[in-house]
Amino acid sequence: DAKTTQPPSMDCAEGRAANLPCNHSTISGNEYVYWYRQIHSQGPQYIIHGLKNNETNEMASLIITEDRKSSTLILPHATLRDTAVYYCIVSRIDKLIFGTGTRLQVFP
Amino acid sequence: GAVVSQHPSRVICKSGTSVKIECRSLDFQATTMFWYRQFPKQSLMLMATSNEGSKATYEQGVEKDKFLINHASLTLSTLTVTSAHPEDSSFYICSAPGTRATGELFFGEGSRLTVL
Repeated sequence: DAKTTQPPSMDCAEGRAANLPCNHSTISGNEYVYWYRQIHSQGPQYIIHGLKNNETNEMASLIITEDRKSSTLILPHATLRDTAVYYCIVSRIDKLIFGTGTRLQVFP
Repeated sequence: GAVVSQHPSRVICKSGTSVKIECRSLDFQATTMFWYRQFPKQSLMLMATSNEGSKATYEQGVEKDKFLINHASLTLSTLTVTSAHPEDSSFYICSAPGTRATGELFFGEGSRLTVL
């Protein structure tokens, strides 16, 4: 599975959009981009995933570059409850290998 | 969405004893489940893939005789930490693929093991 690179931490003001970047330059054609988050002492929570096209659901938007070498997760209106570690994972199979993720801190 | 439940959520045991953690898929069947371990301030580390009706597949460096995995039915996988030691204290999390074909995983709430 392709390796991902994420900034270790980010801050975001409550109510503003949080844009979390992820680099996955070695992604192969049949690998999906997944985003999960983990709030302290809980199991990870699925956010969104995509293959080539941009995706949007009730939680977030996923923007994937045309060459698929990077992506951005967008939380349109961050709240304090969005404070968590966000993991970007690329995989073609069910087995997900987690990297170190980005610790997002939303402040009032 | 699909629900995966773990039990117990917290367990404290004495060194040398064995502890069993259960992972259940509540509203769907899972022929495969995954077990992860997470130490404080670290990421999740995949330990093994649990396969219904067959032997589990362990990741490199994970002792199969130490961490016994049984997947006896389509809704239940168990992880037994045998002869637990304080260094086995960790957050253990299971997951199962959903019914969609794109590999989305549903995670349990996690089980925090403390070995005294």
